[in-house]
Amino acid sequence: AQSVTQPDIHITVSEGASLELRCNYSYGATPYLFWYVQSPGQGLQLLLKYFSGDTLVQGIKGFEAEFKRSQSSFNLRKPSVHWSDAAEYFCAVASGASGGSYIPTFGRGTSLIVHP
Amino acid sequence: KAGVTQTPRYLIKTRGQQVTLSCSPISGHRSVSWYQQTPGQGLQFLFEYFSETQRNKGNFPGRFSGRQFSNSRSEMNVSTLELGDSALYLCASRDRGENKNIQYFGAGTRLSVL
Repeated sequence: AQSVTQPDIHITVSEGASLELRCNYSYGATPYLFWYVQSPGQGLQLLLKYFSGDTLVQGIKGFEAEFKRSQSSFNLRKPSVHWSDAAEYFCAVASGASGGSYIPTFGRGTSLIVHP
Repeated sequence: KAGVTQTPRYLIKTRGQQVTLSCSPISGHRSVSWYQQTPGQGLQFLFEYFSETQRNKGNFPGRFSGRQFSNSRSEMNVSTLELGDSALYLCASRDRGENKNIQYFGAGTRLSVL
């Protein structure tokens, strides 16, 4: 069964500082990996995805993530955080295998707090 | 295109009642999934419908049911509400083809059971 671990429940950074949110997944075959962001009272918005190819993927709002198969990781990064980035971030994995259900499994989320 | 629309945004019910939530997917999307989000359990998959047929189901009791109409709109019903059903219920739709793995989420329905 696929699973996702986000080891950090909360992360606090100062505005303008760099950010890295960690995500480790467990899945036997080629995974499809996602990062979503959720602002208070809102649904989830897709930041970026990895299906195949270049292991460094660019997303919206200046975010990027790197897929490292050897470490089963898909960490999210941003070079300079803005106060508006404060939100909940979810990593997710879905089956990339033929016949897979495509239903993603989500991590528990990391809450990002941004100090001025 | 308009995004995924969920109605109502907020609901307050009492224990034992039933509730119906509605979801309109992105135009052209035929797959609709439902998720329950709580602080204790996180995001949990309820079920997925495609072309009016339930295709996948999560590990929830039979009190949770859904259906999909010919226009791809979906409803989710919870009967005999319990306090623990208080949650944000999210609907997501997805396309076919190369983007079939991407779920697009609505803003959710916040259900409070008193």
